[in-house]
Amino acid sequence: DTGVSQDPRHKITKRGQNVTFRCDPISEHNRLYWYRQTLGQGPEFLTYFQNEAQLEKSRLLSDRFSAERPKGSFSTLEIQRTEQGDSAMYLCASTYAGVSYEQYFGPGTRLTVT
Amino acid sequence: SQQGEEDPQALSIQEGENATMNCSYKTSINNLQWYRQNSGRGLVHLILIRSNEREKHSGRLRVTLDTSKKSSSLLITASRAADTASYFCATDASQGAQKLVFGQGTRLTINP
Repeated sequence: DTGVSQDPRHKITKRGQNVTFRCDPISEHNRLYWYRQTLGQGPEFLTYFQNEAQLEKSRLLSDRFSAERPKGSFSTLEIQRTEQGDSAMYLCASTYAGVSYEQYFGPGTRLTVT
Repeated sequence: SQQGEEDPQALSIQEGENATMNCSYKTSINNLQWYRQNSGRGLVHLILIRSNEREKHSGRLRVTLDTSKKSSSLLITASRAADTASYFCATDASQGAQKLVFGQGTRLTINP
């Protein structure tokens, strides 16, 4: 257990539905990252926050995706109008920027869109 | 897109043997990290090597970095069944964002 938690661990949804995932980072960490991982591949960067500010979004993050980190604590990732291509593992990671380069990953949320 | 290419994609060895995995990348980096992922789980950080370092050790792990060849290797000595997992190299080439770009991983199986 790295100290980063994600909820839910698994989500099955029908195409066209909206889903929201939550990540609770290690409390003193000021940076939070979202990655997406498909089967047999390494994680791909989606977006990251410094405290509550979203500083960068990948081109992978279409306008159906939105992420927030209110008050610089937990973060949510919402996918609207899900498509089958959104099926993947969504990973959250946190770190204390300026102190450490190591990222602590949560267990992930596995999304299956049917 | 993925920066790294890992070799081999899969490796199966006997318990007690050494395992070597290689990673190549494309751009200049600040540091390179290795992570382990057990099936269906999150990633666990193993070791970090900075761009000005050539070799680093941590327990049974040895990492080398050759920036002229843009490559790294991870050696696990005296392998154990519990080392069975996928291993990923990740590079940080960003300007302060500490944004990691992962390879596609090596699936390591240790046979008892």
